[in-house]
Amino acid sequence: GESVGLHLPTLSVQEGDNSIINCAYSNSASDYFIWYKQESGKGPQFIIDIRSNMDKRQGQRVTVLLNKTVKHLSLQIAATQPGDSAVYFCAENPLGPGGYNKLIFGAGTRLAVHP
Amino acid sequence: EAGVTQSPTHLIKTRGQQATLRCSPISGHTSVYWYQQALGLGLQFLLWYDEGEERNRGNFPPRFSGRQFPNYSSELNVNALELEDSALYLCADNTEAFFGQGTRLTVV
Repeated sequence: GESVGLHLPTLSVQEGDNSIINCAYSNSASDYFIWYKQESGKGPQFIIDIRSNMDKRQGQRVTVLLNKTVKHLSLQIAATQPGDSAVYFCAENPLGPGGYNKLIFGAGTRLAVHP
Repeated sequence: EAGVTQSPTHLIKTRGQQATLRCSPISGHTSVYWYQQALGLGLQFLLWYDEGEERNRGNFPPRFSGRQFPNYSSELNVNALELEDSALYLCADNTEAFFGQGTRLTVV
């Protein structure tokens, strides 16, 4: 979950395709994870969360998958739309939701949706 | 219901000056988390306040400080500003699901 610099990895997809954004987290003790969407000039917007006792959770057009064995998290967006274009961050919390600790954010992935 | 609110939206300061940023959590929420997001980077945890007390602190120098008021709003103060303090400063409430829109601090 460390920042890697000015150049975010970019995922380019065609409108209507499915998108998969990946994240490797750092702390094996983390038991709560959140995906955020951040549009230019705005604060992060909560998308979906998942606890470590689950391996999959679905929302509206989004699915989060958790693989604790390899400490990997993914966000799947179905039928990607131009409005989905943003930077996506994963975050982990070692002590659960609202836990007495800080969130550790990944570096982010830029999703670019082309018509 | 109003979300997490931050002010000002933008702030321009000169190197060496002090900056004060403000955050109000959602009504009834007692915690405020502050994060720094430098241009093109992820969010770095700064400070956590709960029930008026500082509960946790990130890896930032002491010139980053703050406080939380009885109404649970919070101030972040940055003293002796340096050029590299230029960033988007974000606060979140105790669920960390809701972030404010941030204050863009520019140090010149």
